Amino acid sequence: GENVEQHPSTLSVQEGDSAVIKCTYSDSASNYFPWYKQELGKRPQLIIDIRSNVGEKKDQRIAVTLNKTAKHFSLHITETQPEDSAVYFCAASQTGGGNKLTFGTGTQLKVEL
Amino acid sequence: GAVVSQHPSWVICKSGTSVKIECRSLDFQATTMFWYRQFPKQSLMLMATSNEGSKATYEQGVEKDKFLINHASLTLSTLTVTSAHPEDSSFYICSAAGRSQPQHFGDGTRLSIL
Repeated sequence: GENVEQHPSTLSVQEGDSAVIKCTYSDSASNYFPWYKQELGKRPQLIIDIRSNVGEKKDQRIAVTLNKTAKHFSLHITETQPEDSAVYFCAASQTGGGNKLTFGTGTQLKVEL
Repeated sequence: GAVVSQHPSWVICKSGTSVKIECRSLDFQATTMFWYRQFPKQSLMLMATSNEGSKATYEQGVEKDKFLINHASLTLSTLTVTSAHPEDSSFYICSAAGRSQPQHFGDGTRLSIL
């Protein structure tokens, strides 16, 4: 089955700096890669996703890059703000939708003033 | 759009009782619903996948007789934790996906068994 590794487990940055979280996956059949943000005690919220036919996707301060050959994808957050502090999970699946997601272990991001 | 409602948000009950958790997709038809369990400071662990009108598919190590899942309609799935014990205490989260939708999560249910 699919295995997703995520690094780092914790990340502390100064407000305004960039944050990068990296994930690797094992199953070459995976072609859908969402990123979720989870605040303490709340639901994971989809913040951005990318499909394998695209190498990069951007939405305001958030971007995701995908390297299919190396089987890794990354989340980039620019101009970080305190409200970006949360746990971020990457995930991988085939096609998305009704196919199950395999989650990474999560990254606790702390944006310090 | 893509709102998933999960109820109740918090349950405290005595050991040995059964607890039912509901998951509803409010504005789309969920062909597939997923049930996860999350321990503090850990990732989401998939328990089972349910498709409308068919039996749920359980992940390895998840007792299907203990965690009963019903997906009777395209907008509702339920998880019943039968004869709950303290070790079943956890945060349970459902998600729902339509044919062209990514998974969207409910607010989760914090289950505490005394």
